[in-house]
Amino acid sequence: GAVVSQHPSRVICKSGTSVKIECRSLDFQATTMFWYRQFPKQSLMLMATSNEGSKATYEQGVEKDKFLINHASLTLSTLTVTSAHPEDSSFYICSARREGFYNEQFFGPGTRLTVL
Amino acid sequence: AQSVSQHNHHVILSEAASLELGCNYSYGGTVNLFWYVQYPGQHLQLLLKYFSGDPLVKGIKGFEAEFIKSKFSFNLRKPSVQWSDTAEYFCAVNARYGGATNKLIFGTGTLLAVQP
Repeated sequence: GAVVSQHPSRVICKSGTSVKIECRSLDFQATTMFWYRQFPKQSLMLMATSNEGSKATYEQGVEKDKFLINHASLTLSTLTVTSAHPEDSSFYICSARREGFYNEQFFGPGTRLTVL
Repeated sequence: AQSVSQHNHHVILSEAASLELGCNYSYGGTVNLFWYVQYPGQHLQLLLKYFSGDPLVKGIKGFEAEFIKSKFSFNLRKPSVQWSDTAEYFCAVNARYGGATNKLIFGTGTLLAVQP
């Protein structure tokens, strides 16, 4: 149990377009999901905390108008990179916190975004 | 601000060698501590975690870690590594303020290569 999926696993888009990434908890409900960004040879940086039914909480320095997060159900959070630019190219990883598993996060496989 | 340091960025070992990966964090309050592993092409998986109690925790695949509060450390160990342990290892800290908090702060990761 505690499987988290992401879709797509890889996406290439043109500069100026928007890209949506989905994060799903497949076998459990998650009121809280998280979005991370990982640069090559660097650590995971938390971008925002996605809360079901309410606004996401963004980390300092993350533009909320650029990285739109929607957590419309207990099993789905989406991250939309709006007006993508090459510097947005990165590996985006989501995680979900399972209720009852105190402070333990289960991670998705990640989405590789390349902006041309 | 909280931070997590992993001093070994790249470790190369022969099979059957012993492993110790360092992790230090900066936060004076109560913490939860985690080690995650990311095998090539796969998503992050939890190796082990410390919440409270015995500071020596045992995880999957023969890994263990010791929480030394006075040193703000949570080093990962394995007495005899295998080729299949080749992966990237991330230390993470979840600082608790009063009640539960969800934010995980990750170290920069240690890439372990085990030579057969």
